[in-house]
Amino acid sequence: KQEVTQIPAALSVPEGENLVLNCSFTDSAIYNLQWFRQDPGKGLTSLLLIQSSQREQTSGRLNASLDKSSGRSTLYIAASQPGDSATYLCAVYTDSWGKLQFGAGTQVVVTP
Amino acid sequence: EPEVTQTPSHQVTQMGQEVILRCVPISNHLYFYWYRQILGQKVEFLVSFYNNEISEKSEIFDDQFSVERPDGSNFTLKIRSTKLEDSAMYFCASSGLAGEQYFGPGTRLTVT
Repeated sequence: KQEVTQIPAALSVPEGENLVLNCSFTDSAIYNLQWFRQDPGKGLTSLLLIQSSQREQTSGRLNASLDKSSGRSTLYIAASQPGDSATYLCAVYTDSWGKLQFGAGTQVVVTP
Repeated sequence: EPEVTQTPSHQVTQMGQEVILRCVPISNHLYFYWYRQILGQKVEFLVSFYNNEISEKSEIFDDQFSVERPDGSNFTLKIRSTKLEDSAMYFCASSGLAGEQYFGPGTRLTVT
């Protein structure tokens, strides 16, 4: 059974520092992996989708890597800003375009 | 930019009552999903829907739950007889052929 884990559960950094968020999954036979942002009491905003054949994906200050063989993905956020404060979730597609299995998230606080 | 919408944003109901949660997916999307998030817990998959039928459902999605696409734009989740443990945030999502899932803002269901 696939398990998705995110460490750390919470992270506080001063503005300007780079953020490194980790996601691990137990079964390497995933289709794709998606990173989301969730603000308190709000929905999920898609940040990046990494397809199974890709090693990384970039969007602005965000870069996500995927290593299926080791069961890991890392989300890097460069030059963090207070507006980056949110919970970041990773989720794996356990079959082709089917259900997503989520990690518990990393709660990030960026202090001015 | 197209987005998934959900109504209502907050629904309060008494135990044993029926509720219908509504979603309008992105218009050219073909795949539809419901997820839920109990406060403080992971986002959990409930059901996926394609071509007017359920393609996959989780153990949570028992006979009390049903989904429907009553017309070309709406996608609904019905809970027949609500229980206290159904209190959660319910998210609708949709995806097109590219597979990336886009989530709505959620409906907070409170069962008293």
